[in-house]
Amino acid sequence: KNQVEQSPQSLIILEGKNCTLQCNYTVSPFSNLRWYKQDTGRGPVSLTIMTFSENTKSNGRYTATLDADTKQSSLHITASQLSDSASYICVVSAKGNNRLAFGKGNQVVVIP
Amino acid sequence: EPEVTQTPSHQVTQMGQEVILRCVPISNHLYFYWYRQILGQKVEFLVSFYNNEISEKSEIFDDQFSVERPDGSNFTLKIRSTKLEDSAMYFCASRAVAGDLGNEQFFGPGTRLTVL
Repeated sequence: KNQVEQSPQSLIILEGKNCTLQCNYTVSPFSNLRWYKQDTGRGPVSLTIMTFSENTKSNGRYTATLDADTKQSSLHITASQLSDSASYICVVSAKGNNRLAFGKGNQVVVIP
Repeated sequence: EPEVTQTPSHQVTQMGQEVILRCVPISNHLYFYWYRQILGQKVEFLVSFYNNEISEKSEIFDDQFSVERPDGSNFTLKIRSTKLEDSAMYFCASRAVAGDLGNEQFFGPGTRLTVL
């Protein structure tokens, strides 16, 4: 069964600090992995996408890594801002499959 | 910038009633999806739709659910007889073309369905 597990479930960080979110998946055959940001009460918005051959991708203060051998990904947030408070969802796509496999999300709260 | 829109933003209904959730996908997109997210749970796939027919559906999408693209613009999800456990956030998404690479699914803001 295609699964995506994320950790930690939630974390609180001080404004200006960095944090790293983890994602492990069992989706196969792997096509691509996206990190989405979901603000409370809103739909998910894509931050990064990585395919099998890519092991790092940046989008501003967000940097995602991918290790396709160990089936792990991370999302690093640099110099966090209050607006980074959101749920960060790891979403994995399998080849030839219309469906996306969603993780439960990492709930990040940035405090002043 | 084009975006997926959904109405209503919040729907409250009595158990057993029918509800229709509406979505307007991005205009040149060809693939449409419905997802749901029960409070505190992960987003779950319900159904995908292409060329005026369902291309894939999950175990959740039983006979109580149906989808329709009635006028080439709207994409609707109907729940015939709502149950308490249907209470969730329902997201519509659309995608330009199929394919494994890129071709991001763009999500709408969601409709929060509350069944009493």
